[in-house]
Amino acid sequence: AQSVTQLDSQVPVFEEAPVELRCNYSSSVSVYLFWYVQYPNQGLQLLLKYLSGSTLVKGINGFEAEFNKSQTSFHLRKPSVHISDTAEYFCAVTVSGNTGKLIFGQGTTLQVKP
Amino acid sequence: GAGVSQTPSNKVTEKGKYVELRCDPISGHTALYWYRQSLGQGPEFLIYFQGTGAADDSGLPNDRFFAVRPEGSVSTLKIQRTERGDSAVYLCASSLTGSQVDEQFFGPGTRLTVL
Repeated sequence: AQSVTQLDSQVPVFEEAPVELRCNYSSSVSVYLFWYVQYPNQGLQLLLKYLSGSTLVKGINGFEAEFNKSQTSFHLRKPSVHISDTAEYFCAVTVSGNTGKLIFGQGTTLQVKP
Repeated sequence: GAGVSQTPSNKVTEKGKYVELRCDPISGHTALYWYRQSLGQGPEFLIYFQGTGAADDSGLPNDRFFAVRPEGSVSTLKIQRTERGDSAVYLCASSLTGSQVDEQFFGPGTRLTVL
């Protein structure tokens, strides 16, 4: 079975500081990797996804993530955060050869402080 | 264009009652998903529709939960004999084809509270 673990439930950071949100997955088959963001009182929105090719993927709002197959990780990074980045971030996978159902991690709350 | 919509936004019911939650996907999207998000957790898959048929219902917790999509567009999630443990935010998402690589577009959710 596949699983996704987000290692930090909350990440407080000051505005303009860099941030990394960690994600590890477990799967015996190939997966596709996603990061979704949930702003307060809004629906989930796709930030970025890794399907194949270059292991560094860039997404919206200045976020990027790096796929590391040997460490089964897909950490999300941003070099300088803004107050508006305060939100809940979810890492998720879909399984190659399966339906498109997403398997989510528990989520990480990013709290950007002025 | 219009995104995924869900009604009602909030539903409060009593233990043992029946509830229906509605999802309107993006027009033209053949795939529709239901997820359940409990407090402090990530969304958990419930059921996936490809067109009118339930292609994967492996996430439905028990036979009190049922979902339909009779015309391949709007879907209704039905919960019988609700229990307090059913309290959660129910999310609906749609995607163009249902492929594993497709982006899923999520609705704002229905917050269900069972008293």
